[in-house]
Amino acid sequence: AQSVTQLDSHVSVSEGTPVLLRCNYSSSYSPSLFWYVQHPNKGLQLLLKYTSAATLVKGINGFEAEFKKSETSFHLTKPSAHMSDAAEYFCVVSHGGSQGNLIFGKGTKLSVKP
Amino acid sequence: KAGVTQTPRYLIKTRGQQVTLSCSPISGHRSVSWYQQTPGQGLQFLFEYFSETQRNKGNFPGRFSGRQFSNSRSEMNVSTLELGDSALYLCASSLAISAQETQYFGPGTRLLVL
Repeated sequence: AQSVTQLDSHVSVSEGTPVLLRCNYSSSYSPSLFWYVQHPNKGLQLLLKYTSAATLVKGINGFEAEFKKSETSFHLTKPSAHMSDAAEYFCVVSHGGSQGNLIFGKGTKLSVKP
Repeated sequence: KAGVTQTPRYLIKTRGQQVTLSCSPISGHRSVSWYQQTPGQGLQFLFEYFSETQRNKGNFPGRFSGRQFSNSRSEMNVSTLELGDSALYLCASSLAISAQETQYFGPGTRLLVL
């Protein structure tokens, strides 16, 4: 069965410092992995996705994630945090097979201090 | 291209009532999925439709139902509302059902059950 574990429920960084949001996955298939962001009172926006091509995936707004099969990890990083990055981030795995439904992690709330 | 739209955006109902939520996918997208988001349970998959057929269903009681029309628009219905049904209901559309397809989310319908 597919699952994702986000290792931190809350991460706080200062503006201009690096961001690291950690995610581990479990999958019976070769996984498709996504990171989505949700700003307060908004829907979910796709940041990036991994679908078995390059292991380093670049997304929007300077975010990137690296797929590491040996560690079953898909951590999200950004070199320099901006105040507008404050939001909740979800690591997501696709169910796989003939089903497209997404399985979400519990989310990591990112706070950015000035 | 217009994004996923959901109506209504906010809804207040009382226990025992029923409610219908609507979702219009991105033009050309034939797959629609529904998710429930609550503070306690996070984001959980409800059901997935493609070409007017329910292809996949999450672990929710039969009070939750849905359908998809020939123009790919979808509705979900919750009957005999309970307090625990208070949540943000998110609709997502994609071109097809596939683990690699990106799902694009609407802004959600926030349901409050009193």
